[in-house]
Amino acid sequence: EVHLVESGGGLVQPGGSLTLSCRDSGLTFSYYSMGWVRQAPGRGPEWISYISSTSGTIYNADSVKGRFTISRDNSENSLLLQMNSLRVEDTAVYYCVRARSGGYFDDWGQGTLVSVSS
Amino acid sequence: EIVLTQSPGTLSLSPGERATLSCRTSRTTDTRSLAWYQQKPGQAARLLIYATSDRATGVPDRFSGSGSGTDFTLTISRLEPEDSAVYFCQQYVTSIFTFGPGTKVEIK
Repeated sequence: EVHLVESGGGLVQPGGSLTLSCRDSGLTFSYYSMGWVRQAPGRGPEWISYISSTSGTIYNADSVKGRFTISRDNSENSLLLQMNSLRVEDTAVYYCVRARSGGYFDDWGQGTLVSVSS
Repeated sequence: EIVLTQSPGTLSLSPGERATLSCRTSRTTDTRSLAWYQQKPGQAARLLIYATSDRATGVPDRFSGSGSGTDFTLTISRLEPEDSAVYFCQQYVTSIFTFGPGTKVEIK
């Protein structure tokens, strides 16, 4: 069973920065691609970032390109999302997800809330 | 950009009835790249179906998926009270993952 635990969410002012972390307590983190999916209040999920198992391939949604950076440390079983130039519309619950070939997400963390407000 | 449209927006049915949820993609989608998720209030989404028709681990066999081209369907053969949730379809094409807006299933 995969256990993904996110941390680092909170309240930040527009233009500010925040770094989210995701820790995988399993033994197979380094084998799989990972990603971040967010969900604004009352909305459906929105994929925002993807990183392959070796960090060799990274994709970002247009909505966060140039502002958010995904990275991973396989020795620490951790996934990071560095978020800069935050906007009010970035307010959402952010989920760490495991991405499988075929492009689906077969496990999700419990989420961490990011609120961007002045 | 591929757009996913789901219908109906809300489905209200009784226990034991059959639910049919539709997902339409704006361009032809590889059947290997279409998935369905269930989300209950306050919880993360849970993968139900991947590659159009493969059930994820632990998903009851009353859930089934089908479709091809631009039209895909999630069927719940006999609704149980615990199936009350929002259901999202999702597709993948090179470097972009897209979710549909969801169908809410209410159990009367």
